Amino acid sequence: QFVVTQPPSASASLGASVKLTCTLSSGHSDYTIAWHQQQPEKGPRYLMTVTSDGRHSKGDGIPDRFSGSSSGAERYLSISSLRSEDEADYYCQTWGIGIQVFGGGTKLTVL
Amino acid sequence: EVELVQSGAEVKKPGESLKISCKGYGYSFSGYWIAWVRQMPGKGLEWMGIMSPGASYARYSPSFQGQVTLSADKSIYTAYLQWSSLKASDTAMYYCARPRYGGNEADAFDIWGQGTMVIVSS
Repeated sequence: QFVVTQPPSASASLGASVKLTCTLSSGHSDYTIAWHQQQPEKGPRYLMTVTSDGRHSKGDGIPDRFSGSSSGAERYLSISSLRSEDEADYYCQTWGIGIQVFGGGTKLTVL
Repeated sequence: EVELVQSGAEVKKPGESLKISCKGYGYSFSGYWIAWVRQMPGKGLEWMGIMSPGASYARYSPSFQGQVTLSADKSIYTAYLQWSSLKASDTAMYYCARPRYGGNEADAFDIWGQGTMVIVSS
């Protein structure tokens, strides 16, 4: 089954760094994924894509504090110098012909 | 500026029909697929389907096949999501979204509409 899995929650302190994880299902470990941020009461915003070799391509205006990386079937979103506005839900997305898949999202709490 | 602008919130009764819209600005509308994504209250994102305005062709998630209809009018740069008979369980926020590259349905969504809230209640 073609799925992506995310832990439901994460937390980190103001000014610290955090690394969020998205895991691709077996047989799909070479897929590219995208990260999206959804702040409270807002729509999703595209952050970046992350390839299987760890390259990332960010959307317009996404700060340097946001970066992506990979290891095997895992894709990561790293956020440094956390700000209060980074408190949000983060979704990963992957795709194939005729299918789009979203992870369940990770709720990031900035302490 | 590239953007997708969606129609306003709707409050409907069970059994009623509904068509919501998503208008594209700042790019070649016919050249890009448009996807629809559901977000039920307090829940995550679910892909419903994707439409090619240029080819008038749609693909549906198995979860939504037969439940909704995707269409588009490329002459007015607008895509539609339609229900023939709403249910209370259709209550959700609905987003349209566009893949990064023209002509490619299998890609990250880099442009999102602001969302249309649909409330179905008797």
